[in-house]
Amino acid sequence: SYELTQPPSVSVSPGQTASITCSGDKLEDKYACWYQQRPGQSPVLVIYKDTKRPSGIPERFSGSNSGNTATLTISGTQAMDEADYYCQSWDSTTVVFGGGTRLTVL
Amino acid sequence: QVQLVQSGSELKKPGASVKVSCKASGYTFTSSALNWVRQAPGQGLEWMAWINTNTGNPTYAQGFTGRFVFSLDTSVTTAYLQISSLKAEDTAVYYCARDPPGGGQGFDYWGQGTLVTVSS
Repeated sequence: SYELTQPPSVSVSPGQTASITCSGDKLEDKYACWYQQRPGQSPVLVIYKDTKRPSGIPERFSGSNSGNTATLTISGTQAMDEADYYCQSWDSTTVVFGGGTRLTVL
Repeated sequence: QVQLVQSGSELKKPGASVKVSCKASGYTFTSSALNWVRQAPGQGLEWMAWINTNTGNPTYAQGFTGRFVFSLDTSVTTAYLQISSLKAEDTAVYYCARDPPGGGQGFDYWGQGTLVTVSS
């Protein structure tokens, strides 16, 4: 079965750029999406179709997908961005989530 | 506005059954697939299934066949997840999420989640 691999944790200082990776075999041939989940809340879609931001998502969130790796980049990270982030893609007709990355803003 | 409203928390004993509902509103129910996602305590998101809201046909992830039944009632724009023979390891928050048409759109709306606790 298809697998997506994320680092368990990433730390960033306020105002700096955070990058969270998601690795999967030939991931560039599929679409990748990203979700933010704060404690006790439902996930929120922050990136879809590799690079697109839903309305209401700040411009500091961006995405890319090349080779075997999709990347979520948060520029000018703010304290409110501290959360768990999950990548997601599709394998034929099924859906796959990465294991999640906890972003800590120190 | 699009909303997915789920039923409330459940406390069940091992071996019992539970039925979780997900009421959709604010859009044409049959225009988008609905997905179910599980999140065990302190764990990540785990995709369970998606259901074609036109045909009612579900596609299951491995590990979610047999005891798990996914269904629809289009007359009340509601999706259901029923779990039978509950085990302690079924304790989790269960989410429904909308997947709009077109590839790669992602799950753009999520329910608030339903906590199912299985304990004797």
